[in-house]
Amino acid sequence: DAGVIQSPRHEVTEMGQEVTLRCKPISGHDYLFWYRQTMMRGLELLIYFNNNVPIDDSGMPEDRFSAKMPNASFSTLKIQPSEPRDSAVYFCASSFTNLLGSEAFFGQGTRLTVV
Amino acid sequence: AQSVAQPEDQVNVAEGNPLTVKCTYSVSGNPYLFWYVQYPNRGLQFLLKYITGDNLVKGSYGFEAEFNKSQTSFHLKKPSALVSDSALYFCAVSLLSGNTPLVFGKGTRLSVIA
Repeated sequence: DAGVIQSPRHEVTEMGQEVTLRCKPISGHDYLFWYRQTMMRGLELLIYFNNNVPIDDSGMPEDRFSAKMPNASFSTLKIQPSEPRDSAVYFCASSFTNLLGSEAFFGQGTRLTVV
Repeated sequence: AQSVAQPEDQVNVAEGNPLTVKCTYSVSGNPYLFWYVQYPNRGLQFLLKYITGDNLVKGSYGFEAEFNKSQTSFHLKKPSALVSDSALYFCAVSLLSGNTPLVFGKGTRLSVIA
């Protein structure tokens, strides 16, 4: 398996524009997580899905952020409108249900810069 | 709610010396504990985990970690550091009750000096 695949790797956009980040989890994994990494806040969980259903979105910072998982092999994180303070590295991760505790596998991340 | 503390932002160690990266946790229940490493411009890579059993857990690249329930700690160790170990290290915790998301510490930057 190629691992968790995120696109794009880098995104530069102007303030006010819509940004869509994409993620393909590892095949067979039933959990998908979106994290954001900044110098100030470290790694923050934004939202996670189980079997394509959002379980907890309490980490989504504002209504400008939304996430979807239309099927088991694809998820998007959308920011509309984007603001400079959204600049960060966004990671997608996936794992599978395992009673012994399953580690999450991370994608390479999308570095978002909003100017 | 669970939380993780990594008290050191930066750890410097000479190549060949033993290294320790500290982590303490707080959970209401039995924890799953993890260590991840992040190299520049890369995602997080899994190093090792503690679920149950032996308190000393061995992982990738010669790393190990010791679970100490009384001190609520899970320090990462390596007997002999390499320059290539220089990276950002994250400790994480989740609950033993299922696939709750990992909660990460703020990370510790390890620099191994030749």
